[in-house]
Amino acid sequence: DAGVIQSPRHEVTEMGQEVTLRCKPISGHNSLFWYRQTMMRGLELLIYFNNNVPIDDSGMPEDRFSAKMPNASFSTLKIQPSEPRDSAVYFCASKLYSLGRAMDGYTFGSGTRLTVV
Amino acid sequence: KNEVEQSPQNLTAQEGEFITINCSYSVGISALHWLQQHPGGGIVSLFMLSSGKKKHGRLIATINIQEKHSSLHITASHPRDSAVYICAARSAFGNEKLTFGTGTRLTIIP
Repeated sequence: DAGVIQSPRHEVTEMGQEVTLRCKPISGHNSLFWYRQTMMRGLELLIYFNNNVPIDDSGMPEDRFSAKMPNASFSTLKIQPSEPRDSAVYFCASKLYSLGRAMDGYTFGSGTRLTVV
Repeated sequence: KNEVEQSPQNLTAQEGEFITINCSYSVGISALHWLQQHPGGGIVSLFMLSSGKKKHGRLIATINIQEKHSSLHITASHPRDSAVYICAARSAFGNEKLTFGTGTRLTIIP
């Protein structure tokens, strides 16, 4: 398996533009997580999905952020409109659960470094 | 006070030294994760543990539930171990929300 695949690796955009980050989890993993990492706040969970259903989105900063998981192999995180304070590294991770128990740790993607100017 | 505290924040050691990184948490947890973040930014999950001790190669992770404390040990440290090590506590209350420590930056000098 190629691991968790995120795209793009780097994104530079102007304030006010829409940004879409993409993630392909490991095949067979049934939970997907979006994290944001900044120097000030470290790693933070934004949202996670179990079996394609959003479970906890309490970490999503505000209405400008939205996430979808239309199927088991694809998820998007969208920011519209983007602001300079959204500049961060966004990580996607996936995990396998069976009978309600985590079978192992997380597998992280390489991250998307977003810069909003 | 953060719910998950790590110490030290920075650690520099000579190659071959035994390394210990500590993590204390104040919340009830169902699991404690140790992550490694390389200078290039990638994150690797090292351990997930809820009791006792786990070992993988030169890495050992322990947890004491009563004392709410976990340690990550590296034996025979090597320059390639240089990275940021992050502990993260998974809530005991049925969801997957992780509370992260601020990380320990480890530098191993040849």
